[in-house]
Amino acid sequence: AIQMTQSPSSLSASVGDRVTITCRASQGIRNDLGWYQQKPGKAPKLLIYAASRLQSGVPSRFSGSGSGTDFSLTISSLQPEDFATYYCLQDYSYPCSFGQGTKLEIK
Amino acid sequence: EVQLVESGGGLVQPGGSLRLSCAASGFTFSSYWMSWVRQAPGKGLEWVANIKQDGSEKYYVDSVKGRFTISRDNAKNSLYLQMNSLRGEDTALYFCTTLSDYWGQGTLVTVSS
Repeated sequence: AIQMTQSPSSLSASVGDRVTITCRASQGIRNDLGWYQQKPGKAPKLLIYAASRLQSGVPSRFSGSGSGTDFSLTISSLQPEDFATYYCLQDYSYPCSFGQGTKLEIK
Repeated sequence: EVQLVESGGGLVQPGGSLRLSCAASGFTFSSYWMSWVRQAPGKGLEWVANIKQDGSEKYYVDSVKGRFTISRDNAKNSLYLQMNSLRGEDTALYFCTTLSDYWGQGTLVTVSS
């Protein structure tokens, strides 16, 4: 099974900051990776699919990059509503697997 | 309005069984792969299983293989998860999802004596 290692596990930042979260796959997964945002008590929300494609309705301050084994999610200018937990998910091979999550907190 | 509504969760003893259901509406259910994703209390997301549009392909995470069975009824716009031989580590909120735009709010399964 493919392991997804996400870092950092937590991150403290301020409104307006630029932040980057990374995800590393234990083997190559082409660009079969998505990024999700989850707020407390809510279902996850897809932000990015195919590593770099912005899901419809998601603000353009979110961007994704990478292919193969190394991926990143960047938020260009943090907004108050962006403080949440973020997960990557590979669907290159079964079983699909999530990263362990990155909790983004207000500094 | 798109809705995915899970049901069937509850408290069950170790070794017991539960059947989760997910009722879909507002989109063409039969056109989507469907998945179950779970989240243990205070923990991260774990993909559990998925099923192809026509039910011909099914995949599972190793920890549930042989114990859980995913199925669907496209005529009823419904997804199911039959869970047998339940263990404490299966305690979680179970989400029904397309893994893209559509997610339910989850149904809580608690395995405890």
